[in-house]
Amino acid sequence: IAGITQAPTSQILAAGRRMTLRCTQDMRHNAMYWYRQDLGLGLRLIHYSNTAGTTGKGEVPDGYSVSRANTDDFPLTLASAVPSQTSVYFCASSEGTEAYNEQFFGPGTRLTVL
Amino acid sequence: GQNIDQPTEMTATEGAIVQINCTYQTSGFNGLFWYQQHAGEAPTFLSYNVLDGLEEKGRFSSFLSRSKGYSYLLLKELQMKDSASYLCAVRDSNYQLIWGAGTKLIIKP
Repeated sequence: IAGITQAPTSQILAAGRRMTLRCTQDMRHNAMYWYRQDLGLGLRLIHYSNTAGTTGKGEVPDGYSVSRANTDDFPLTLASAVPSQTSVYFCASSEGTEAYNEQFFGPGTRLTVL
Repeated sequence: GQNIDQPTEMTATEGAIVQINCTYQTSGFNGLFWYQQHAGEAPTFLSYNVLDGLEEKGRFSSFLSRSKGYSYLLLKELQMKDSASYLCAVRDSNYQLIWGAGTKLIIKP
């Protein structure tokens, strides 16, 4: 089934540890995004990539890094996790960056940092 | 700053009609999206409005007034499966999506 997959589904992590959240899409979409979703807040953009080989910073990029080596994969790395990074992380993709392009979301990764 | 406002929670009865409002103040406007998100799941696309007026899609309709910075999502013939959060998002002048916190809709029998 075409779509976006994320791994792991959930993770409990000790503060200070390094963690990579994986995201893969098979729709050949050009653009990909990482969001975090916290209770009472809207989705907040962490990093994005308009096309393979390029990345950009979103609203809340501090403490996170991304890479886009190919079209399909867009991993998110937490270099040294802190408790404030406890959240649900969604990866999304869109065919392009036109205004009307809807975003398709992966199932999410629930991350707890202790 | 940029701001999207939606009611936190609404309750409606199965079979009825409900209107979920969204007001926005953003730097530029390049369209407004509505997404549905069931608890513990990913958001899924419902509608996109860029011109003023009403767009109808089955039981769901979305309205936009750019001059008022206002949109609503209208759900008709409510079903229990419509219990979910509804997210409003505006594409700003940088073509990024600015998201509201979402409206949790509770459907009662």
